[in-house]
Amino acid sequence: AQTVTQSQPEMSVQEAETVTLSCTYDTSESDYYLFWYKQPPSRQMILVIRQEAYKQQNATENRFSVNFQKAAKSFSLKISDSQLGDAAMYFCAYRWGFYGGSQGNLIFGKGTKLSVKP
Amino acid sequence: DGGITQSPKYLFRKEGQNVTLSCEQNLNHDAMYWYRQDPGQGLRLIYYSQIVNDFQKGDIAEGYSVSREKKESFPLTVTSAQKNPTAFYLCASSIDLAGKNTEAFFGQGTRLTVV
Repeated sequence: AQTVTQSQPEMSVQEAETVTLSCTYDTSESDYYLFWYKQPPSRQMILVIRQEAYKQQNATENRFSVNFQKAAKSFSLKISDSQLGDAAMYFCAYRWGFYGGSQGNLIFGKGTKLSVKP
Repeated sequence: DGGITQSPKYLFRKEGQNVTLSCEQNLNHDAMYWYRQDPGQGLRLIYYSQIVNDFQKGDIAEGYSVSREKKESFPLTVTSAQKNPTAFYLCASSIDLAGKNTEAFFGQGTRLTVV
């Protein structure tokens, strides 16, 4: 069964600095997606970034980028120029690439709570 | 605006009662999901549905039931058999693109409290 592990329950970063959140996963599949979701105090789950496993290039969305190491099964999120609005829970998630069956569901890590200090 | 709407935002239930959480989407997505979130936990899958009139149990389906009579709607009933129903419930949907999964979009959630 696929698993997702986030080893940092809490992280803190100074405003305007850079922080990296860690995520490792376990799967025997070759076609899958990885995601980072943000959950602010409103508790709305917001997609931050996604990575297709077959793409070697790391995904980037403005200040957010990932370091995808497929062989090591590692998927870290880097937030540059941190802002107060980045404070939230961040969840790493895995999803099988092919539609259908329970393998299409998202598997979540337990989350990392990010605090941003002014 | 397209999106997923969950209602109510807060729900209180007396022990022994069944309650139904609503989830509606106008994104024309095929698949819909219900997740439960507890403090210190990630999201855990309760039920999912990939087409109308069909749904499957997730990891923690005991004490819950669902229906999928319309593509847009996927209500979740928390029955009296659910021993610890107090939690935050999230509904999500996604689209099948040529047999490939895509990202899931989430509603704003329902906070259920047993009183």
